[in-house]
Amino acid sequence: KQEVTQIPAALSVPEGENLVLNCSFTDSAIYNLQWFRQDPGKGLTSLLLIQSSQREQTSGRLNASLDKSSGRSTLYIAASQPGDSATYLCAASAGGTSYGKLTFGQGTILTVHP
Amino acid sequence: DADVTQTPRNRITKTGKRIMLECSQTKGHDRMYWYRQDPGLGLRLIYYSFDVKDINKGEISDGYSVSRQAQAKFSLSLESAIPNQTALYFCATSEPGRASTDTQYFGPGTRLTVL
Repeated sequence: KQEVTQIPAALSVPEGENLVLNCSFTDSAIYNLQWFRQDPGKGLTSLLLIQSSQREQTSGRLNASLDKSSGRSTLYIAASQPGDSATYLCAASAGGTSYGKLTFGQGTILTVHP
Repeated sequence: DADVTQTPRNRITKTGKRIMLECSQTKGHDRMYWYRQDPGLGLRLIYYSFDVKDINKGEISDGYSVSRQAQAKFSLSLESAIPNQTALYFCATSEPGRASTDTQYFGPGTRLTVL
């Protein structure tokens, strides 16, 4: 059974700092690793999807990396802004008979203060 | 308009009541999912449907049932609600295709409180 863990559970940083969120998973047989953002009262928004054959993906100030062999992914946020404050969730996508199913981590609550 | 909508957005009910949460999507996706989120636990899959005739249990399906009325509609029912079903419920959709590029699109969530 896939288990996904995120560290830290919460993070508070001043505006402008670069930061790293960590995600680990126990079963390396994944099809992709996804990072989502969750704002209060809203659903999840997909940020980045890294295919199992890829090592990283970038979108603007966000960069996500994937190391299947070690069961780890990181989300790097450059030059953080107060608008980045949200909960960040990673999820591992299964294959085979569990095709398309996502297993989520518990999330990292990020606060960026001015 | 939102691509994935959920009704109601908030619901307070009493133990033993039957509750239905509804999800509609305009994305034309075949796959739909129901999750629940509890504080500190992330999202857990309740049921998922890969098309109108295909419905599967997720990791926490006990106490829940679903109905896929059409490609665009997927409902979650709690036949007899209990307090530990108090949670935030999300519906999601995805399009068929290669698993390596398959992402999910989420509705805004329904906050359910069972007293």
